[in-house]
Amino acid sequence: AQKVTQAQTEISVVEKEDVTLDCVYETRDTTYYLFWYKQPPSGELVFLIRRNSFDEQNEISGRYSWNFQKSTSSFNFTITASQVVDSAVYFCALRLMNRDDKIIFGKGTRLHILP
Amino acid sequence: GAVVSQHPSRVICKSGTSVKIECRSLDFQATTMFWYRQFPKQSLMLMATSNEGSKATYEQGVEKDKFLINHASLTLSTLTVTSAHPEDSSFYICSASPGGGGYTFGSGTRLTVV
Repeated sequence: AQKVTQAQTEISVVEKEDVTLDCVYETRDTTYYLFWYKQPPSGELVFLIRRNSFDEQNEISGRYSWNFQKSTSSFNFTITASQVVDSAVYFCALRLMNRDDKIIFGKGTRLHILP
Repeated sequence: GAVVSQHPSRVICKSGTSVKIECRSLDFQATTMFWYRQFPKQSLMLMATSNEGSKATYEQGVEKDKFLINHASLTLSTLTVTSAHPEDSSFYICSASPGGGGYTFGSGTRLTVV
């Protein structure tokens, strides 16, 4: 069975601090996609990144960076120099590359950036 | 980019009535769409997979007679909550895959049953 674990339920940091959101996934499949989404209070899901299982390169996009390590089945997300606008719930998700297109979400991490 | 439009964004209905939520792919065709439900401070749970021209596939524990799904065209899927009750109050969100492994989500519908 597939599973996504976000052990941090809620995190609070002061603005300008760096923060890392953890994501650990479980699957026996060797081909899959991993995602991060941001859900602000308005509710919509904002796509942040997609990674496929063949590509272990870390990625940086502005203040955001992602560390994908297959050896530990982790796909962690770091926000550098956090801002109040980063306050949201962040979801890590997994999708297998097979005929079943389901995307499985972790429980989410609620991030509070304090001014 | 690929856009999924979901309506209404908010709806309040009386207990016992039915509510229809629409999900449209605006610039791509979606043979499959997905419906999720999210209770406050919880994760998104897949309710069902909507298949164009055929019956939807429901996840375990989801009542197919209560949550009617219709996917009559390649760009439109609808979720009807029948005989709604207060416990059905939730945030419902649809998604579709425009290809390439990614997903596009609608903006969600906040349903309140009074």
